[in-house]
Amino acid sequence: GAVVSQHPSRVICKSGTSVKIECRSLDFQATTMFWYRQFPKQSLMLMATSNEGSKATYEQGVEKDKFLINHASLTLSTLTVTSAHPEDSSFYICSASDSGGALVTQYFGPGTRLLVL
Amino acid sequence: ILNVEQSPQSLHVQEGDSTNFTCSFPSSNFYALHWYRWETAKSPEALFVMTLNGDEKKKGRISATLNTKEGYSYLYIKGSQPEDSATYLCACMFSGGYNKLIFGAGTRLAVHP
Repeated sequence: GAVVSQHPSRVICKSGTSVKIECRSLDFQATTMFWYRQFPKQSLMLMATSNEGSKATYEQGVEKDKFLINHASLTLSTLTVTSAHPEDSSFYICSASDSGGALVTQYFGPGTRLLVL
Repeated sequence: ILNVEQSPQSLHVQEGDSTNFTCSFPSSNFYALHWYRWETAKSPEALFVMTLNGDEKKKGRISATLNTKEGYSYLYIKGSQPEDSATYLCACMFSGGYNKLIFGAGTRLAVHP
């Protein structure tokens, strides 16, 4: 099956710093990538959808200036948490698909656990 | 607000037992349902995608059914094995939400030898 990697798997940073998370599709071209966030005991919540070469579409309530998404190539998308604060501590996970449509499978990375001190 | 509910939240079974759990969703504007299996420290793995009322899918000992009129899907595991221990996620897509999956909170299954 299709493989998606995510790096780093875990990061601890100080409040006010920025953190970049990478999501890569290793064996397919990802025309669309998705970024999700999961707080403890809650569902995966979609933050934004990005198509290669286009600006990301953010979900309601997600600050686009705080969560910068770049999808410059068909195999790489990055999420940068700018000026991180303790309330940004969460599990961030990306997924990728090689085409559009409701029946297309999203392939997930293993996630990144962010802790902001 | 579109809400996808999964029950039970967690489940403990003995090796060899068969088990099932439920995903409930609003039936209006329903488009597709995805089941994922998520083992700890790994990536969620796609199991099934279903869209039509009455759809049934099977993969080894795992199968799923879909009832779009009443808004639910069942996931069945026959003869559970310890390696089936994982969190099973259900996610739905609704018309008008292009490629957007709305996830349930998952059912955590533990299979004891």
